[in-house]
Amino acid sequence: DVKVTQSSRYLVKRTGEKVFLECVQDMDHENMFWYRQDPGLGLRLIYFSYDVKMKEKGDIPEGYSVSREKKERFSLILESASTNQTSMYLCASRGSLGDNEQFFGPGTRLTVL
Amino acid sequence: AQSVTQPDIHITVSEGASLELRCNYSYGATPYLFWYVQSPGQGLQLLLKYFSGDTLVQGIKGFEAEFKRSQSSFNLRKPSVHWSDAAEYFCAVSLSGGYNKLIFGAGTRLAVHP
Repeated sequence: DVKVTQSSRYLVKRTGEKVFLECVQDMDHENMFWYRQDPGLGLRLIYFSYDVKMKEKGDIPEGYSVSREKKERFSLILESASTNQTSMYLCASRGSLGDNEQFFGPGTRLTVL
Repeated sequence: AQSVTQPDIHITVSEGASLELRCNYSYGATPYLFWYVQSPGQGLQLLLKYFSGDTLVQGIKGFEAEFKRSQSSFNLRKPSVHWSDAAEYFCAVSLSGGYNKLIFGAGTRLAVHP
């Protein structure tokens, strides 16, 4: 089974802190994604990566950056956390062949005080 | 721009009743279509998907969905709901080609009364 893990289930940070959210997948997938989930808005794509060191902006990249130094790991970085970044963050991965199914991690619920 | 609409934000059904969750998409061609479920505090789990062929798709946990091209719809159904089906359900579409990003609907939260 594909496994996508995220470093923390719950995280509390203060405004202005630098925050790292880590995601690791074990299926050698080329593509990895970061979403944020907010009530009534569904999932919105922040950034995605289709290869090591490659990244593309999603629909809401402002205030975020990403890093993909190794194929299995995709990090989301909040350079200076703000209260409006309080949300659930979901990581996903997908292979390049076959169908377009994405496999999701359990999520990190981030609270910025 | 492509979009996915789930018209029902909340739905409440009695245990044992039938269920239909609606999903409409806006896209010029037939996209890949997905239904995901999210139980409280969990990530998303794929229920079923449609790419081509038979328009009635069977998924896990007794769910099925029907693709109707003329209505741009992909509604999710279950004949008899169990209390454990209480969760949030997301419809998503993926465009063929390019980076195949998923576009999600806002979700439908299902409550099940005993």
